Amino acid sequence: TQLLEQSPQFLSIQEGENLTVYCNSSSVFSSLQWYRQEPGEGPVLLVTVVTGGEVKKLKRLTFQFGDARKDSSLHITAAQPGDTGLYLCAGARLAGYALNFGKGTSLLVTP
Amino acid sequence: NAGVTQTPKFRILKIGQSMTLQCTQDMNHNYMYWYRQDPGMGLKLIYYSVGAGITDKGEVPNGYNVSRSTTEDFPLRLELAAPSQTSVYFCASSYPAGAGALTDTQYFGPGTRLTVL
Repeated sequence: TQLLEQSPQFLSIQEGENLTVYCNSSSVFSSLQWYRQEPGEGPVLLVTVVTGGEVKKLKRLTFQFGDARKDSSLHITAAQPGDTGLYLCAGARLAGYALNFGKGTSLLVTP
Repeated sequence: NAGVTQTPKFRILKIGQSMTLQCTQDMNHNYMYWYRQDPGMGLKLIYYSVGAGITDKGEVPNGYNVSRSTTEDFPLRLELAAPSQTSVYFCASSYPAGAGALTDTQYFGPGTRLTVL
């Protein structure tokens, strides 16, 4: 059973376009994290959202945690080729315990 | 400060062989984890440890064993390799954010790509 569903699974866009990736669950999480993974490397944390309704910005990336803490979204403005990678959302029930990962969204940004 | 290191980077095993995947972290983290990542399937937790001498099963522990004799090391053992264990294995570590905190950051190693033929 997949606790976190990510959509879309694949996304191919041109440089300069905007995009949104979704992470949905029927479960409540104490926090939700977004990771980016490049080929041949491990995931690297982008952001953690903790409070329902929270919005965090990281340069051109905007992350939002749903009010009920069951879902999250990642919005990228004016995508660049350097944004290419696998974006993973992961929910934590409690701090320090293992994360439940979504299957990921593979993003390709072409010049 | 190397973070989380894993060896080997690549390995090919024959069915029935055994091997140990090594994981070491130099951040003095209490918590360590082993995940496997299959194409299009995200990361699945195999085992985790909340401190030296303490380990527990994750979502997919069958066919694997772990030990945690030191804070730094968390090796993963495959006793009888099977084709279903072909995957990329990631080790991660974290330090609990403290009493009352809701989350912490997990730091991942570069992974070990294992093929079982």
